[in-house]
Amino acid sequence: ELKVEQNPLFLSMQEGKNYTIYCNYSTTSDRLYWYRQDPGKSLESLFVLLSNGAVKQEGRLMASLDTKARLSTLHITAAVHDLSATYFCAVDAYGGSQGNLIFGKGTKLSVKP
Amino acid sequence: DVKVTQSSRYLVKRTGEKVFLECVQDMDHENMFWYRQDPGLGLRLIYFSYDVKMKEKGDIPEGYSVSREKKERFSLILESASTNQTSMYLCASIPRGKYSGNTIYFGEGSWLTVV
Repeated sequence: ELKVEQNPLFLSMQEGKNYTIYCNYSTTSDRLYWYRQDPGKSLESLFVLLSNGAVKQEGRLMASLDTKARLSTLHITAAVHDLSATYFCAVDAYGGSQGNLIFGKGTKLSVKP
Repeated sequence: DVKVTQSSRYLVKRTGEKVFLECVQDMDHENMFWYRQDPGLGLRLIYFSYDVKMKEKGDIPEGYSVSREKKERFSLILESASTNQTSMYLCASIPRGKYSGNTIYFGEGSWLTVV
């Protein structure tokens, strides 16, 4: 059974600091997603990582994938308040990019001035 | 822009009522999904469909059924709503196949309260 674990589940950080969210998954998969969710809203796609060593960056967020370690990271650089949200990683359950995603429980990020 | 539209954003239903949640996507995607999201449990897959009239059970199908009569529309049905089905329901879609960089698009969500 595919399991996806994120940590930490809660993260309170000060503006300007750096931090990393970790996403471990239990079986092989060739596709990993990162999503952002604001309170009361739906999921917004951040990154799709397709292969070992993939790295993608958008603004202050950078995601990477190590398929051998079954680990993805979401690195936050010089956090700002607007990044406060819940971040989810998800893995395709059958590795076939069909969209049957198994989600981590999410990391609730709070950035304080 | 891809659009996944869930027609009902907020619903309040009584226990035992039959509930329909509708989802329409405008990008000709083959694959469509229904998830529910609960605090502390994250998102869990209820049902999915790879084509018209096809359906597959996800991780938590009990108490739900689905209908896919047209490619663009995927409906989630609660035959007899119960209070433990109070949740946020998210519809999603993606084109079939290993297209590089494809992401899964989510609707805005339907908040269902069963009283």
